Formats: sequence, C-alpha cells, structure tokens
Amino acid sequence: QVQLQESGPGLVRPSQTLSLTCTVSGGSVSSGGYYWTWIRQHPGKGLEWIGHIYYSGTTYYNPSLKSRLIISLDTSKSQFSLKLSSVTAADTAVYYCARDWGALGNWFDPWGQGTLVIVSS
Amino acid sequence: DIQLTQSPSFLSASVGDRVTITCRASQGISSYLAWYQQKPGKAPKLLIYTTSTLKRGVPSRFSGSGSGTEFTLTISSLQPEDFATYYCQQFNSYPITFGQGTRLEIK
Repeated sequence: QVQLQESGPGLVRPSQTLSLTCTVSGGSVSSGGYYWTWIRQHPGKGLEWIGHIYYSGTTYYNPSLKSRLIISLDTSKSQFSLKLSSVTAADTAVYYCARDWGALGNWFDPWGQGTLVIVSS
Repeated sequence: DIQLTQSPSFLSASVGDRVTITCRASQGISSYLAWYQQKPGKAPKLLIYTTSTLKRGVPSRFSGSGSGTEFTLTISSLQPEDFATYYCQQFNSYPITFGQGTRLEIK
C-alpha cells in the first residue's frame, strides 16, 4: 500500500526558504490519475491546502501562497517537494503530504505523518 | 474561495450516542465533499468521499449525506475511538478548502 513520508528541516529562519520533501513508497508518483499534495496545519488550527502536482508536472497552487511557492516532482526518486520562500512566523505549521485522487475527485488519502516546521530566528 | 462552516465547533457526547455534524458551503459544491477524522498528534484520515461513499475499512456507523450547500456526517453509535476532531473538505473548485473542524469529546 502507498505510504508517504515528509522530511526536511524543522527550523527555518525568517525570510529564508522552507524546503520539504515527500517520499512515496509502495507506489509511484508517475502513476497517472493522482495528484501529489501539500497541506499544512497551523498549531491548534485547521487545515490549509497548499497545492498539488500531477505526474506530468502540472501544478495548482493556493492563490494565497502562489507567489512564494514551488512544488516539484522527482520521478526517479519517487519524491515530490515543496519550496516556500520568504517565510515568516505565520508559516510555522505541521506540513503534510498526501495523495490526491484527482482523476476521481480531489480527496486526500493516504497522508504522511506530518512534519513540524518552526520559523524562528 | 468557497468557505465551509462546520457546526457545532465543539460537541460533547457519550459512548453509544448518535451524533451529527453539519458542514455548510458558501456556495453550491454539488456532491464534492469529503470528511476526515484527526486524532491529536496524528494526520487526518479519510472517512468519506463524494459526500456519502465510505472509504473501505471505515466502520459502517459513519455515514454522510447532503448536496449543494448543506452536508452532514453522522455517527450512529459513538465508540470510544471516535472521539476526535472531524473536518469537511470541498473539492468542487480551487482552492480546495476545509471546514474549521468539529471537536468531539467524551461527556
């Protein structure tokens, strides 16, 4: 079964770039029909969809983050990545990666366990 | 953006109770709604997609209904493992959005 695992620094300095990677096992990011998604959750708050990428490289971003965001795919490593530039304390959150069943509908299953990123000097 | 408003935000109930959580959309989303369960410190888990389709392996005490702008998640007989926070999510249009969550606690 497909499993996802986030990795990356847990601490990022303000104004720097937050970089995370999601490794997909038990399946391939090259599989058609799925989008590969990033979602975040601010401490004690609800969920915010960040954006997703299709195996072809097509991306869709949340307009609220679009100017700072790049999501990319590395099919050779079965990974997809998130880069969020010019971070502030407001970007402190748990970041999740997930598979989006795009061809059937944009629900998310499964999810990675999540990784906490703190933006602080 | 489509806003999803869940009610109540907090719910206290007992094992065996039947509970219903409502999710209202700021505009029509057809049947493009999913429900998730999240326990503290864990990632959300998909329960239901396309309003009423139960993910394989999810207990049948969970059910979903609705269309357009009003949707419900019902748990027919609460079990101890059901105490968690529940989120609805719309996928009718971008950006994909979530409700603010309903925290279900033991009375």
